[in-house]
Amino acid sequence: AQRVTQPEKLLSVFKGAPVELKCNYSYSGSPELFWYVQYSRQRLQLLLRHISRESIKGFTADLNKGETSFHLKKPFAQEEDSAMYYCALGSSNTGKLIFGQGTTLQVKP
Amino acid sequence: NAGVTQTPKFQVLKTGQSMTLQCAQDMNHEYMSWYRQDPGMGLRLIHYSVGAGITDQGEVPNGYNVSRSTTEDFPLRLLSAAPSQTSVYFCASSYGLAPDTQYFGPGTRLTVL
Repeated sequence: AQRVTQPEKLLSVFKGAPVELKCNYSYSGSPELFWYVQYSRQRLQLLLRHISRESIKGFTADLNKGETSFHLKKPFAQEEDSAMYYCALGSSNTGKLIFGQGTTLQVKP
Repeated sequence: NAGVTQTPKFQVLKTGQSMTLQCAQDMNHEYMSWYRQDPGMGLRLIHYSVGAGITDQGEVPNGYNVSRSTTEDFPLRLLSAAPSQTSVYFCASSYGLAPDTQYFGPGTRLTVL
């Protein structure tokens, strides 16, 4: 079964501090991992996906198949990064996209 | 392009009432899905569709029905509303199957009294 776990409900950091939002997944097939973000009063939108290996808004995420993790990282947090972040697992075999519980990132000035 | 639209934005129902949440997209996307968002539970998949005439259940399908008669529309029906269905509902669409980038609607906030 597809499963995504985000262990932290809330992550609070000061501006300029490093950020790591954790995501672990469970899936026996070939996973496709994503991070979606929801800023206040905005729609949920794609932040990045593992196959593109891009850095978006300074965020990166590396798929670690051994540890079944896809943690989201940013070396220096900005106040505008404050949002709800969701890790998601998709599979072309099942046709489903499953989300984790979400982590609220709060960046304090 | 309007993208993904949802109506209504807000709705209050009494227990036992039925209603339909509307979702439409104008991007000619094959894949559409419905999620509910609850505090501490994240987004949970209710139903999804890989094309017109094809639907399937997600993680939490009980109490909800869907149909996909056209590519553009994917309504979600609550048959007999219960307080446990109080939530924010999001519709999403993508060109291909789930691993493709999902485009989300603005959400419908539903309260069942």
